[in-house]
Amino acid sequence: DSGVTQTPKHLITATGQRVTLRCSPRSGDLSVYWYQQSLDQGLQFLIQYYNGEERAKGNILERFSAQQFPDLHSELNLSSLELGDSALYFCASSVGFGGSTDTQYFGPGTRLTVL
Amino acid sequence: ILNVEQSPQSLHVQEGDSTNFTCSFPSSNFYALHWYRWETAKSPEALFVMTLNGDEKKKGRISATLNTKEGYSYLYIKGSQPEDSATYLCAFSSGSARQLTFGSGTQLTVLP
Repeated sequence: DSGVTQTPKHLITATGQRVTLRCSPRSGDLSVYWYQQSLDQGLQFLIQYYNGEERAKGNILERFSAQQFPDLHSELNLSSLELGDSALYFCASSVGFGGSTDTQYFGPGTRLTVL
Repeated sequence: ILNVEQSPQSLHVQEGDSTNFTCSFPSSNFYALHWYRWETAKSPEALFVMTLNGDEKKKGRISATLNTKEGYSYLYIKGSQPEDSATYLCAFSSGSARQLTFGSGTQLTVLP
């Protein structure tokens, strides 16, 4: 158990809908990262927050947005969902602001299925 | 676009065999190389973070080496056990792009 929690574990929804994925980092970690794992691709970095501020952005679609709250939990919002958005979404956390020598601790993931 | 290649894609070995696999990454502007172990139905678990050319790290029967000049890292498992069965991921970052770029992984199956 990494100490990172994600809810829900599974989510099934329809095209065009909007969903929110939630992540609580390990106690003491200030950075939260979001990744997408599709069937045919490796882990793709989406976005990182550090202490409430956006720190780095990867291949995140405009239909997706995220935020980190004062209690450091983070939410990833996915809207106008398409079939291709079906994937495993991971959250990870680290102590520092994301100098990439920081070890990232991964949560159990949320499996999103868009029908 | 940063390309991180892992080989082989999958590997089957007998219990007790030693094995190794490769992670290749761009050699210019290197910053860090991470190795993760990802068991089925679990989340990726950090093994090593390596930053210096010639670095060697060890954790039990698993060790890793790093060559930043030629852009590769090896992960070695000595005396493989069935519980070592997992996908091993490497992730690279350069000085210009702080975020991690992951390879597709090497899927290891250790047969009893």
